[in-house]
Formats: sequence, structure tokens, C-alpha cells
Amino acid sequence: DGGITQSPKYLFRKEGQNVTLSCEQNLNHDAMYWYRQDPGQGLRLIYYSQIVNDFQKGDIAEGYSVSREKKESFPLTVTSAQKNPTAFYLCASSIDRAGAEQYFGPGTRLTVT
Amino acid sequence: GDSVTQMEGPVTLSEEAFLTINCTYTATGYPSLFWYVQYPGEGLQLLLKATKADDKGSNKGFEATYRKETTSFHLEKGSVQVSDSAVYFCALRAGRDDKIIFGKGTRLHILP
Repeated sequence: DGGITQSPKYLFRKEGQNVTLSCEQNLNHDAMYWYRQDPGQGLRLIYYSQIVNDFQKGDIAEGYSVSREKKESFPLTVTSAQKNPTAFYLCASSIDRAGAEQYFGPGTRLTVT
Repeated sequence: GDSVTQMEGPVTLSEEAFLTINCTYTATGYPSLFWYVQYPGEGLQLLLKATKADDKGSNKGFEATYRKETTSFHLEKGSVQVSDSAVYFCALRAGRDDKIIFGKGTRLHILP
């Protein structure tokens, strides 16, 4: 079955540590996205990539970094510079076509203490 | 810029009641419109979509019609079930290089 996987489901880290969230897709999609969701809130775009080796900042990129070395993979690093990293992180992908829908992974809940 | 406005929740209904969640949009082009559903602790799932005016998207008893004249895409279901309890997001996407714009979500509670 094609889909998007995110691992792990739950992640715990101490303040001051960098942490990398995994996102893999086997849908052969060109575009991939990272969102942050806080309790009771909507989605905010962190970074997105429309092609391998290229990515753009979203609305809340500060304190985050990404790479896109392979079409299938788009890992997100939450750095120690991110002031409020505890949140639910969602990865998504889509085909590169006007008006195309996005498909989402199951999410990673990150807790930093 | 493009935007989506959906009714604030939570919305609480009894099982078998009729559901409407309002969604209106602002867009300069001709966007595709979507409804997504998010169950607790999970990612978003595409519920239905419509790509042009007067299209009706439908899935699992839910329907929404793309109304260009009123710039709306209201979600409806004739008889809700407890299992429909979730958060529903209205969204749009216009051009190829455009991001998807999401509404803030509407939490739905169905009482048995």
C-alpha cells in the first residue's frame, strides 16, 4: 500500500537538544510539506519542498531545518533555537499539479521538557 | 491573499441529526476545494474534494458543493453517527506553486 510514514509516533527530548523527525513517502510525489499543530489549533506550515535538493520556508520556519536528498524522504530537525517545540508535527505530500490535494502521515507528537 | 473561513466549534449534535459545517473562501484564481477530517491523535484524511464550480464532492455520506457565486463549500451529512466525532478542516489550493490554505478546523461531537 502506498502512503506516508512518520516515525516515531511519540518523541521525548530534553530542552537544548536537537531532534530529527522522519517522514517517508512511497507515493512518488514530488512535493512534501511539514506542518505544526498545537492543541485545539489549525495547521501552520513550517517548510515545503517541490523537488529534490530544493525547499522553501513556510510561515513558521524559525528554529527548524529540513533536507530533501531523496524524493521519498523529507526529514525535519527541530533545533534548540525553537522556543516552543512541544507540538504535533504532520508531514504531507502531493503531486506537483495545480489544485492537487495533499496526503498526510499519522503525525509525530514531540514533547520537550 | 487566499483564505478560508469556517464556522467555529465545537459543534455538538445527537446521533442521526443533520449536519452542516459552513465554509467560505477568498481566492483570486479558480481553486480546488477540500474537506479533511482528523480523528484524535491522527493525521488528516482527505474526506472529499471539488475542482470546479458546481462540482459536488461526496464520501461516506458527506457532501459539499462548490458554489462560486457565494464562494462557499459547506459540508453536510444527513444523519451523523458517533463515529463522525472528529475535527473537520476546509481547505483550498489554487495554482501549482500555491500552498494549501486550511481553515482553523471545526470540532464535531456526536452524542449517542
